[in-house]
Amino acid sequence: GESVGLHLPTLSVQEGDNSIINCAYSNSASDYFIWYKQESGKGPQFIIDIRSNMDKRQGQRVTVLLNKTVKHLSLQIAATQPGDSAVYFCAEYSGGSNYKLTFGKGTLLTVNP
Amino acid sequence: NAGVTQTPKFQVLKTGQSMTLQCAQDMNHNSMYWYRQDPGMGLRLIYYSASEGTTDKGEVPNGYNVSRLNKREFSLRLESAAPSQTSVYFCASRPPGLNEQFFGPGTRLTVL
Repeated sequence: GESVGLHLPTLSVQEGDNSIINCAYSNSASDYFIWYKQESGKGPQFIIDIRSNMDKRQGQRVTVLLNKTVKHLSLQIAATQPGDSAVYFCAEYSGGSNYKLTFGKGTLLTVNP
Repeated sequence: NAGVTQTPKFQVLKTGQSMTLQCAQDMNHNSMYWYRQDPGMGLRLIYYSASEGTTDKGEVPNGYNVSRLNKREFSLRLESAAPSQTSVYFCASRPPGLNEQFFGPGTRLTVL
């Protein structure tokens, strides 16, 4: 079946370093992808999305890269801060009128001061 | 704007008991969703409602029912709780024309 997965379940970085969180997907027909951030005890929070016809999209301190050839998605966080510590999920939308998302299992990012 | 609110925040049930999880949004969104999140897993869709008066099954609907009471409210009911339903439940809503889903703070449910 179709799935959204992650290469690394945990990632630990030093404050100020750049972080890269990876995600593999298997549904080549997905229309767009979304990255969510979930802090402990809270609901997921939207970070950034990218449509399948794009390779790159930038936001504030974040960049998402999409490589459709190898079905790979990454989230880059520049100058990582302690407040970035959270679980990061990628999710894909594969069409239909009800915007159902399929979520990956998540990567725990820990930022060390 | 309170965004998406969920009640209760925590609940402990005994096997076989029933309960309703409440969700409300004040953003005038048409679409609403219920997810469950288990340890080490991503969110899985239980039910969704594309608009007031319509509901559809998601990936894991067994053991649950939903009601879209009005545009603001979307409730999730467990008729006979089972330990396998121990999870954190999230409600979300989505504005028309946008990809983003807005999530509530979650309800942590334990079934003994």
